Amino acid sequence: DAMVIQNPRYQVTQFGKPVTLSCSQTLNHNVMYWYQQKSSQAPKLLFHYYDKDFNNEADTPDNFQSRRPNTSFCFLDIRSPGLGDAAMYLCATSRVELAEQYFGPGTRLTVT
Amino acid sequence: GQNIDQPTEMTATEGAIVQINCTYQTSGFNGLFWYQQHAGEAPTFLSYNVLDGLEEKGRFSSFLSRSKGYSYLLLKELQMKDSASYLCAVRDRKTGGFKTIFGAGTRLFVKA
Repeated sequence: DAMVIQNPRYQVTQFGKPVTLSCSQTLNHNVMYWYQQKSSQAPKLLFHYYDKDFNNEADTPDNFQSRRPNTSFCFLDIRSPGLGDAAMYLCATSRVELAEQYFGPGTRLTVT
Repeated sequence: GQNIDQPTEMTATEGAIVQINCTYQTSGFNGLFWYQQHAGEAPTFLSYNVLDGLEEKGRFSSFLSRSKGYSYLLLKELQMKDSASYLCAVRDRKTGGFKTIFGAGTRLFVKA
C-alpha cells in the first residue's frame, strides 16, 4: 500500500549527540513536511519541501536541518539535541501545497 | 497574527451526536481541515472546507463560515472508536506559498 514511512519509530539520543530521523513515501507527492508535536499540543511545522525547494519556518531553531535527496526521502537532522527537543516528530506529505496531508506514524525522540 | 481556538476536551455518549467547534483568525485564509488523531498515533485526514457551507462524509460533517472565522465538525452515531483528538487546521496564505496551522485539538471521550 502507498504510504508514509518513518524510521525509527522510537529514537533515544544523548544530550548534544546529533541524530537523524528519516521519512520515505510511496505516494509520489511533491511536498514533504516535518512537524514537531509535544504532548497535548498542536503539531508545529518545522519546515517543508516543495520538490527541491526548501521552506523553513521563521521560528524553527538552527539546530534543526533537513535534507531531501530525492522525491521519496526526506531527513530531519538535529545537530545538538537538547532536553526540550524530546517530542514526537511527524513527517507528512501532500500532492501539492493546497491538498490534504498524509502523515507517517511518527518518531518519538527521547533525549537523555 | 494567526490563532486557532478549540475546546480542550468534550465527553459524549455512544450513539449520540457531538459538535466540535473551531474559531480561527488568519490573514490569508485558504481552507480549513479537520484531522483525527488517536493517542500516540499520527493525524489522519477527515475533511476539507474552503467555501461556506456543510460538507458531509458518512457519519462526519464539517461546516465553515468564512465571515465568522468559524467551523465545526459534527460526528453522528458516535462509536467508542471515535474517542480521539480532533485537530482543526487552517491553511494560510503567506509570502511565497501556504502554511497549514494546527489547533491544539479537542480530546473527545465517548462513553458507553
